[in-house]
Amino acid sequence: KAGVTQTPRYLIKTRGQQVTLSCSPISGHRSVSWYQQTPGQGLQFLFEYFSETQRNKGNFPGRFSGRQFSNSRSEMNVSTLELGDSALYLCASSLGQGGDEQFFGPGTRLTVL
Amino acid sequence: GQSLEQPSEVTAVEGAIVQINCTYQTSGFYGLSWYQQHDGGAPTFLSYNALDGLEETGRFSSFLSRSDSYGYLLLQELQMKDSASYFCAAHQGYSTLTFGKGTMLLVSP
Repeated sequence: KAGVTQTPRYLIKTRGQQVTLSCSPISGHRSVSWYQQTPGQGLQFLFEYFSETQRNKGNFPGRFSGRQFSNSRSEMNVSTLELGDSALYLCASSLGQGGDEQFFGPGTRLTVL
Repeated sequence: GQSLEQPSEVTAVEGAIVQINCTYQTSGFYGLSWYQQHDGGAPTFLSYNALDGLEETGRFSSFLSRSDSYGYLLLQELQMKDSASYFCAAHQGYSTLTFGKGTMLLVSP
């Protein structure tokens, strides 16, 4: 079956702009989690959606938001971009049960100038 | 806070055995997973331990001790293709993972 897809793969924005990233999970997976990966901080959890509801949220400012649609596709939005938001944004899908394997997409590389 | 500690880098030669340790301090701990990430690639799942003890999957094994808040990943018969970053991750409710900062494994001939 098809893997997790993320669009776009690369994005260049300037400070103050906003950006929307998209994630399509594996068919049948109802949970989508988002992570930010940077060389200094590693992989940091942003939030998790399950059946269109945010189930958990990491320690990020309110500029970072997300949503999930009825087909389980998810989007995350970052408003008022800062230089420090430059990172690889990864989404992962799973069945949403405790301890199940998360399948990661290839990520969106965001560069903020 | 919630944190997982693992070594930043480990080196080994082909055919050897290497162990990557992970200690954690998290609330609401459900279990420990390990992920592998090659440079430029997406993390891929290796193993999950919910209970104390050893889980074996081919050349890779993972161990968990809840009482010690400690786990490790054991890689045997190392191959060049095993050169990658390895992350331990604590499960905290459903699909919430808190990752360690990763261990870069360098395998030399």
